[in-house]
Amino acid sequence: AQKITQTQPGMFVQEKEAVTLDCTYDTSDPSYGLFWYKQPSSGEMIFLIYQGSYDQQNATEGRYSLNFQKARKSANLVISASQLGDSAMYFCAMRARSGGYQKVTFGTGTKLQVIP
Amino acid sequence: GAVVSQHPSWVICKSGTSVKIECRSLDFQATTMFWYRQFPKQSLMLMATSNEGSKATYEQGVEKDKFLINHASLTLSTLTVTSAHPEDSSFYICSAEEIRDRDEKLFFGSGTQLSVL
Repeated sequence: AQKITQTQPGMFVQEKEAVTLDCTYDTSDPSYGLFWYKQPSSGEMIFLIYQGSYDQQNATEGRYSLNFQKARKSANLVISASQLGDSAMYFCAMRARSGGYQKVTFGTGTKLQVIP
Repeated sequence: GAVVSQHPSWVICKSGTSVKIECRSLDFQATTMFWYRQFPKQSLMLMATSNEGSKATYEQGVEKDKFLINHASLTLSTLTVTSAHPEDSSFYICSAEEIRDRDEKLFFGSGTQLSVL
């Protein structure tokens, strides 16, 4: 079975500061992918960053970086220089093979609020 | 970037009717698409994995006969909620997988808010 865990229901961060959103995972599939998505109040899911299990380097996309610690099975999202527009729900997701087929499952999400 | 179009954005229907939701990948071919359901202020719950040309794989607890999924082409998957009831009211969202040069991305449609009266 595969599992994604986000232990922070809500986070506050001061504008222009960096913030780390936690994500841990569990899977028996040696080949998997990890994603982070942002969901503003409008409901759309916005892709932020992807990390493959065999990637040697941590993924980065602009102000987003993924702190991938394979041995600890963690894939934390780091947002640098927070902006007011970063306030949203953030979901961690994992694609892996489970029960004989590939599927993508999501964590419970973290609500990030950026304070002016 | 890649775009996934989901239609309709919202639908209101009477109890007992069927509703079809379409999910299209506009500028890439998607062998695999996923269908999710999201309740207010909750995470996305995977309903099924849709593979082009084959039967969908449903998650435990999801009724196959109620939520019919068809993935007839590499750019289109449909979810039909048959004989909808008020408890089926929810936000349904699809995603399509793009794999290019070992880089993988999962793009989402804008979602469909279903309200069953």
